[in-house]
Amino acid sequence: RKEVEQDPGPFNVPEGATVAFNCTYSNSASQSFFWYRQDCRKEPKLLMSVYSSGNEDGRFTAQLNRASQYISLLIRDSKLSDSATYLCVVLGGRRALTFGSGTRLQVQP
Amino acid sequence: IAGITQAPTSQILAAGRRMTLRCTQDMRHNAMYWYRQDLGLGLRLIHYSNTAGTTGKGEVPDGYSVSRANTDDFPLTLASAVPSQTSVYFCASSYTSDTEAFFGQGTRLTVV
Repeated sequence: RKEVEQDPGPFNVPEGATVAFNCTYSNSASQSFFWYRQDCRKEPKLLMSVYSSGNEDGRFTAQLNRASQYISLLIRDSKLSDSATYLCVVLGGRRALTFGSGTRLQVQP
Repeated sequence: IAGITQAPTSQILAAGRRMTLRCTQDMRHNAMYWYRQDLGLGLRLIHYSNTAGTTGKGEVPDGYSVSRANTDDFPLTLASAVPSQTSVYFCASSYTSDTEAFFGQGTRLTVV
């Protein structure tokens, strides 16, 4: 079983839609969680950290469910510029960030 | 501008040759990492260093070595390149091993 699993997508949504991604992780001792965004052929960039109580940054909301070992990312009012691959990241067993394979989002006009 | 820099940005390498990918950060981050990214497999950790003078093996360390002589530099060496090492390599750093990481722009390596 992979340490971090994501649905690869693609998610094709119209502009203005709300879309949600989930990610599951296997290490119950994991303490740090993040969502990164990666544009084609570019480096991953931090989108937001995920806190136990859930957190929001503009149109983006991240939630953590420790009991079920999953984290989620909700994007409201999708923009064309949101089209990218979203990477779920967990601090893994080697004390280094472990990445999911990513979920591809395509926002269409 | 503070950040993390990788060199070269791309390289075509003959199989069997030795190659060192360079990574330098000026953010005084303690932890540094090397990942490779292949289509369909996502980012996989090759080696990491939680502080200068220490290194550890990641998920796919075979065929690679690293050193961390100082805080700023974390070179990745392929002793004898093979075609399966064709990939995009990302170096990253973080203030500590449990904080968010920042990435270099990547090195696109093709081994022929």
